[in-house]
Amino acid sequence: GQSLEQPSEVTAVEGAIVQINCTYQTSGFYGLSWYQQHDGGAPTFLSYNALDGLEETGRFSSFLSRSDSYGYLLLQELQMKDSASYFCAVRDNYGQNFVFGPGTRLSVLP
Amino acid sequence: NAGVTQTPKFRVLKTGQSMTLLCAQDMNHEYMYWYRQDPGMGLRLIHYSVGEGTTAKGEVPDGYNVSRLKKQNFLLGLESAAPSQTSVYFCASSNADTEAFFGQGTRLTVV
Repeated sequence: GQSLEQPSEVTAVEGAIVQINCTYQTSGFYGLSWYQQHDGGAPTFLSYNALDGLEETGRFSSFLSRSDSYGYLLLQELQMKDSASYFCAVRDNYGQNFVFGPGTRLSVLP
Repeated sequence: NAGVTQTPKFRVLKTGQSMTLLCAQDMNHEYMYWYRQDPGMGLRLIHYSVGEGTTAKGEVPDGYNVSRLKKQNFLLGLESAAPSQTSVYFCASSNADTEAFFGQGTRLTVV
């Protein structure tokens, strides 16, 4: 099976940088993804790492270390609209089983 | 572009009633998933399918059944609803190495 751990809450101010960590245990590994979910909405895709290293997409970056079973999402130049829940997710079983972490609620303060 | 469409969006059931949630995707994705999300919690995988005619159990399959008779549709059934099944249900679709696209969710209340 799989298990993922994330901090439950993070608070930061506008313009700051925040890092959300994710550690995972899985019987196989096929990539680490990050999703954003605003209250009342559906999760939307942010980033995907299949290999070690940093992936950058605008203000968001994601990092993966497969040897440490660890990844993080880095959000720069925080804006109020970034207040949301952020989930890491792993695929295993050759990409079939897609399991999410418990989520990190980010609050961005003015 | 419709993407992933879930019906219904809201439903109230009495304990013991049955219902089927429908998920339809128009992206020709092989994989489809059903999740439930309880207040303040993450997404828990109920069942998934890796292709037409196939289904598999996820983390919390008890009390649910699924079918994937057509590639574009993935049905989630509750045979005898219980208050513990009150939740928001999300369907998602993807291919093996692509992002998952989610429907807007079905808010189910069992009284």
